[in-house]
Amino acid sequence: VLTQSPATLSLSPGERATLSCRASQSVTSNYLVWYQQKPGQVPRLLIYGASSRATGIPDRFSGSGSGTDFTLTISRLEPEDFAVYYCQHYGNSLFTFGPGTKVDIK
Amino acid sequence: QGQLVESGGGLVKPGGSLRLSCAASGFTFTDYYMSWIRQAPGKGLEWTSYISSSGNSMYYADSVKGRFTISRDNAKNSLYLEMNSLRAEDTAVYYCARRHISTRAFDIWGQGTTVTVSS
Repeated sequence: VLTQSPATLSLSPGERATLSCRASQSVTSNYLVWYQQKPGQVPRLLIYGASSRATGIPDRFSGSGSGTDFTLTISRLEPEDFAVYYCQHYGNSLFTFGPGTKVDIK
Repeated sequence: QGQLVESGGGLVKPGGSLRLSCAASGFTFTDYYMSWIRQAPGKGLEWTSYISSSGNSMYYADSVKGRFTISRDNAKNSLYLEMNSLRAEDTAVYYCARRHISTRAFDIWGQGTTVTVSS
């Protein structure tokens, strides 16, 4: 099971966003992934392997963590970054998504 | 880069059946595992199933096991989801997604097709 916190993060453009994803037991960081989903849009792959940015993802997005605790950091929020962020893990032939963190404008 | 286009969604009564399709293009379909992921209205993402590149292995979430069947036709570059015994809680947008070979990340998603289960 993956839990994400906070459920909602209210910030202003230019601020730093720190999103947490916690697993109920230790997981393989190789298979820890982050997605961004904007309203009415399809999820977009941001980070794979816990810390590697997907193609075309700006370097203001970074991922870190291992074991049970993982973090997605957005160094300086741009207007287009206000969205819902999901973590996801693969293990034991199954995929699990976290419930998501909504980053909205303060 | 690749594209996925789903079809087959619609309104179905509880207990009914529906078959979703996903047409793949722009990449070598036979190289990739494929998956169906759904999103209920206003809710988060839920993985439902995936199938190996050859079609020989399939895995399901507990919520759909025994009711849904994932399959593929590599000659047609197509993925399918046969859904039986549908329930109101199966109402969702269903996305077809490509699983990256080494990272197990879903790197290409279709636009989704909407399934509504209601009497």
